[in-house]
Amino acid sequence: GAVVSQHPSRVICKSGTSVKIECRSLDFQATTMFWYRQFPKQSLMLMATSNEGSKATYEQGVEKDKFLINHASLTLSTLTVTSAHPEDSSFYICSAHDSSSGNTIYFGEGSWLTVV
Amino acid sequence: DAKTTQPPSMDCAEGRAANLPCNHSTISGNEYVYWYRQIHSQGPQYIIHGLKNNETNEMASLIITEDRKSSTLILPHATLRDTAVYYCIVTSGTYKYIFGTGTRLKVLA
Repeated sequence: GAVVSQHPSRVICKSGTSVKIECRSLDFQATTMFWYRQFPKQSLMLMATSNEGSKATYEQGVEKDKFLINHASLTLSTLTVTSAHPEDSSFYICSAHDSSSGNTIYFGEGSWLTVV
Repeated sequence: DAKTTQPPSMDCAEGRAANLPCNHSTISGNEYVYWYRQIHSQGPQYIIHGLKNNETNEMASLIITEDRKSSTLILPHATLRDTAVYYCIVTSGTYKYIFGTGTRLKVLA
């Protein structure tokens, strides 16, 4: 199946700093990518839809100024957590749609963010 | 997209078939049923999907009832590596998946 890669897989940052997480589609082009967050023992929660060449669409309750999303190319979307706080510590996961394989979405391996 | 209901947890003996049910009684005609699983601390892995016909691939089989209000994912010979949380998702193709709570499957040796 299609491969979606995230980097870094784990990151620790200090409170108040910003951290960027990358999501790449390795063997296909993705006009649309999605960002989720997941707290321990909970399900995935959709944060936003990342659209190549246009602004991201955020789900209700997600602060767009805090979670900056950029989708500058057909294979890369980035999520920047700005002014991170300990409560932002979570597992962040991206997904991408491979139009060549129908309607299937493929997920990245996830990125663990710990804010200290 | 329609909502789904799954049992919170299930156990299955290694080597036996694991049958994971999903209720999606409000599914509409153009909505697909997708199954993913998430092994601890990893991103979800695609398993199988279907619209109205039963489907089979190298990982699993998907049985969708004739009225499409429910489906069952079948892992024919469960192994310890199949221990994971299994998610049933119904989507019309917007690719914006809304995850429910899933079923935590534990395969027992």
